[in-house]
Amino acid sequence: AQTVTQSQPEMSVQEAETVTLSCTYDTSESDYYLFWYKQPPSRQMILVIRQEAYKQQNATENRFSVNFQKAAKSFSLKISDSQLGDAAMYFCAYRTRTGANSKLTFGKGITLSVRP
Amino acid sequence: DSGVTQTPKHLITATGQRVTLRCSPRSGDLSVYWYQQSLDQGLQFLIQYYNGEERAKGNILERFSAQQFPDLHSELNLSSLELGDSALYFCASSPRTGLNQETQYFGPGTRLLVL
Repeated sequence: AQTVTQSQPEMSVQEAETVTLSCTYDTSESDYYLFWYKQPPSRQMILVIRQEAYKQQNATENRFSVNFQKAAKSFSLKISDSQLGDAAMYFCAYRTRTGANSKLTFGKGITLSVRP
Repeated sequence: DSGVTQTPKHLITATGQRVTLRCSPRSGDLSVYWYQQSLDQGLQFLIQYYNGEERAKGNILERFSAQQFPDLHSELNLSSLELGDSALYFCASSPRTGLNQETQYFGPGTRLLVL
């Protein structure tokens, strides 16, 4: 079974600075997807970024980028130019590419606070 | 706004009762997923439906059941409720085809409180 680990429960960053959130996962599969979701105080789950395991190029979405290290099974999220609205809980998630079960397996999440 | 709708937003009920949570997926999406978010268990997958048929089951209790109707909306039924069932229940949907098939878009959730 796949597992996703987010070992840092909380992080803090100064507004306009850069922060990196860590995530590791365990799988025996070679083809899969990885995601970062953001959950602000409203509790809505918002997709931040996704990465296909077969792509070597790291995904980027505006101020958000990932560092995907497939051999190390690491998938970190970098937030550049942090804004107050980035304060939220962030979840790393894994999804298999093959098979009928396309559920998401989530990590426990990390709470990010942004200092003005 | 993800395009996934869930009702009700909040639900307060008593132990032993039964409730129904409703989800409407994004227009055109055939897959619906249900997740439970609780403080002790985190975010857990419950069940998936695809075009009316059950596709996969996760950590769903026998007291819980779900179905997806011909118009593709889905309902999650929770019965014989216990205090530990208090949680945020999410519905998500994913596209049938295209580049984003693997991406799940979440509804706003239903917050259930069992007293």
